[in-house]
Amino acid sequence: RKEVEQDPGPFNVPEGATVAFNCTYSNSASQSFFWYRQDCRKEPKLLMSVYSSGNEDGRFTAQLNRASQYISLLIRDSKLSDSATYLCVVNNDMRFGAGTRLTVKP
Amino acid sequence: EAGVAQSPRYKIIEKRQSVAFWCNPISGHATLYWYQQILGQGPKLLIQFQNNGVVDDSQLPKDRFSAERLKGVDSTLKIQPAKLEDSAVYLCASSLIRVSEAFFGQGTRLTVV
Repeated sequence: RKEVEQDPGPFNVPEGATVAFNCTYSNSASQSFFWYRQDCRKEPKLLMSVYSSGNEDGRFTAQLNRASQYISLLIRDSKLSDSATYLCVVNNDMRFGAGTRLTVKP
Repeated sequence: EAGVAQSPRYKIIEKRQSVAFWCNPISGHATLYWYQQILGQGPKLLIQFQNNGVVDDSQLPKDRFSAERLKGVDSTLKIQPAKLEDSAVYLCASSLIRVSEAFFGQGTRLTVV
């Protein structure tokens, strides 16, 4: 089993839709969790950290489920500008998942 | 605040040649990472430094790749000799401490022909 696995995607959704991505991890001792966003031919940029109690930033909500060993990212009211690849990072060793590609269409 | 600086931005070399990439992390960041990102895949961690010591190089192909971080600041990643499958973007990132978020440079796009 890979250390970090993500929904393969791609996700193609209309503007205004709600979309959710999951990311599972194998190391039960993992402590640090992040969601990054990567635009085409650009470097990854931090979208949000994931806290044990869950956290929200505007239209974005991140949650952690330690029992099932996964993190999730929920995007509400999708915008065209949300089109990107979303990468999860788990553990202190900063290993990335393969990424989930999201395309928001008019 | 200045971000992570990488150079060169682009490099084209022939197979079996050598190449080196340079990274200057954000000032004060103790942890430095090198990643390889092949088109369509997530970044693959090659090596992680804590100050000038190696924390994790388990995925570094040590027969041809080497990296160093002199004085715990700048770092270089070298490939010798290069293979066609080394064509990728090489990303450098740094973080204040190991558990904090990492900030990425713009990367070096390597094409091996």
